[in-house]
Amino acid sequence: ETGVTQTPRHLVMGMTNKKSLKCEQHLGHNAMYWYKQSAKKPLELMFVYNFKEQTENNSVPSRFSPECPNSSHLFLHLHTLQPEDSALYLCASSQGRGGYGYTFGSGTRLTVV
Amino acid sequence: DAKTTQPTSMDCAEGRAANLPCNHSTISGNEYVYWYRQIHSQGPQYIIHGLKNNETNEMASLIITEDRKSSTLILPHATLRDTAVYYCIGRGVLSNFGNEKLTFGTGTRLTIIP
Repeated sequence: ETGVTQTPRHLVMGMTNKKSLKCEQHLGHNAMYWYKQSAKKPLELMFVYNFKEQTENNSVPSRFSPECPNSSHLFLHLHTLQPEDSALYLCASSQGRGGYGYTFGSGTRLTVV
Repeated sequence: DAKTTQPTSMDCAEGRAANLPCNHSTISGNEYVYWYRQIHSQGPQYIIHGLKNNETNEMASLIITEDRKSSTLILPHATLRDTAVYYCIGRGVLSNFGNEKLTFGTGTRLTIIP
């Protein structure tokens, strides 16, 4: 257990479904991140939140909709996804401005059918 | 942010020291080098970071050359649980809020051989 909890661990959804991924941290961190890791590819940063405000969106398609109701919780709402969106979705949090001390969750393995 | 170059894969015998190299020839004087690792199907885990001096913690040692163009992560007594992808990351690009965003490359796949 890293201190960053992601649910569900595995998700299979159809292209017309709507689902949400959840991330929770109680480390007192002020920044939270969504990363995507496709097979054989490096991690791609999707969104950055600082003090629950979105500060980065790396040209992510609108079928991915993040939500950060407070500094401890982060959601990724999914709708009308494509099979190529199948990937491991990782949430991370950090405190302060350094690149050290990122804490990642174990990820949600998403399969779009 | 500094571009880093790592070997694609390495093997190491269990119980021996694993030495993972990283080239970061474009790194600036105030940019840190971070090391993370990712065990299969888990999220990355922070290992260590450094600027100029060598660093050691309970997980590993980091040796940075005097010109800062390369570094080596050392796992002193590798175990099977150290099998993972190891990422060397130069200072991340600053987000709009001023905190660093980590940019991961493809890393080095380290396999510990029994």
